[in-house]
Parts: sequence; structure tokens; C-alpha cells
Amino acid sequence: GAVVSQHPSRVICKSGTSVKIECRSLDFQATTMFWYRQFPKQSLMLMATSNEGSKATYEQGVEKDKFLINHASLTLSTLTVTSAHPEDSSFYICSASRGLAGYNEQFFGPGTRLTVL
Amino acid sequence: AQSVSQHNHHVILSEAASLELGCNYSYGGTVNLFWYVQYPGQHLQLLLKYFSGDPLVKGIKGFEAEFIKSKFSFNLRKPSVQWSDTAEYFCAVSSGTYKYIFGTGTRLKVLA
Repeated sequence: GAVVSQHPSRVICKSGTSVKIECRSLDFQATTMFWYRQFPKQSLMLMATSNEGSKATYEQGVEKDKFLINHASLTLSTLTVTSAHPEDSSFYICSASRGLAGYNEQFFGPGTRLTVL
Repeated sequence: AQSVSQHNHHVILSEAASLELGCNYSYGGTVNLFWYVQYPGQHLQLLLKYFSGDPLVKGIKGFEAEFIKSKFSFNLRKPSVQWSDTAEYFCAVSSGTYKYIFGTGTRLKVLA
């Protein structure tokens, strides 16, 4: 149990376009979902936290208007990279938690590789 | 600000060797501690976690970790590694908020 999927797994887009990444909890209801960014050979950096039906909470330095997060249901969160540029190329990972993640395990999706040309 | 340090960035071992990966954190309050593993091409999986109780935590695949509060450490150990343990290992800390702070990861390569 506790499977998290992401779609797409890879996406290549032209500079200036927008890209939407979906994160789904397949067999549980996720109270909280998280979006991370992972640069090559570096750790996961938390971008934002989203709770179903609420506005996402962004980490310092993350542009809210650039990375739009929607958590429309207890099983789906989306990250939209708006007007993508080459510096947005990265590996984006989502995770989901049944409750307060500090007290519950986060379950991670397989990640989405974004390449902006 | 909280931080998590993993001092070993790359580790190469032969099969059957013992493994210890270091993890230190900076936070003075109550913490929850995690070790995650990421096998090549796969997503992060939880190896083990510590919330309270016995500071020696046993996880999956023969891994264990010891929480030493006085040293702010949560080192990961395995007595005898296998080739299939080749992966990247991440330590994470949560201080009672919902957020995890991840270490920079340790790439382990086990030679057959």
C-alpha cells in the first residue's frame, strides 16, 4: 500500500511554455502533499507543501507565480511550471502523507525529469 | 536553521563489508529521524524511522540506525552489505513540523 504516482515521468518542452506535473496517491488519502526539486548529485529541496483545499505554502526563495500548486482532492496535487526556462530543468519529486508528515511517513513518487530547451 | 549533514558523499565497499553512514543534524528540540534509500532509477523508499523509544531502530533489508541524542546523530549501519545495496541513501529530520529536512545523500557502491 501507500503508492504515489507521478505523470509524466519525463517531459521536454520549449522555453516559455508551461508544464503540468501530476502527483497522485493511489491507495490512500493524502492530507498533505509535498513538492521537491532535486538537482544532480544534490539533495531534495522542499519547494512547497499543499493541503487539500488550501493554498500551498511555499519555501523561501520559491516563486509562487512560477510554480503553481493545486491540491484539488485528497488524492491529487499538480505542479505547473509556468513559462519554463532552461534553469527550471530539474528532477521534480512529490510525496504524500496521511497526516502531519513530521509524525507520519512521507511516500514518494518516482519523480518527473523536466528538460527545458 | 535546521540542517542535516551526511559527511560521506561517496562510499565504495566490497560485498560482505560492514557499512556505517553518518548523519548529524542541528536542532535542539524533539526530532523525528528517517533514512531513505533511492535505488538507481527508482523512487525514494523508507528504510527506517525513529520517533521515540528504543534508540536502536531496525529497518528493512537488514539495516539499522542508532539515535544518539547527545551527539545529534542518527547513523545507519548494516553488518554485511550486498551488491544490491548499491544506491543513494538520504537521512532526513523532522522537528515536529510537517517538513522534512534532507541531507545531501551518500552514494554507496558495492563491488561484487
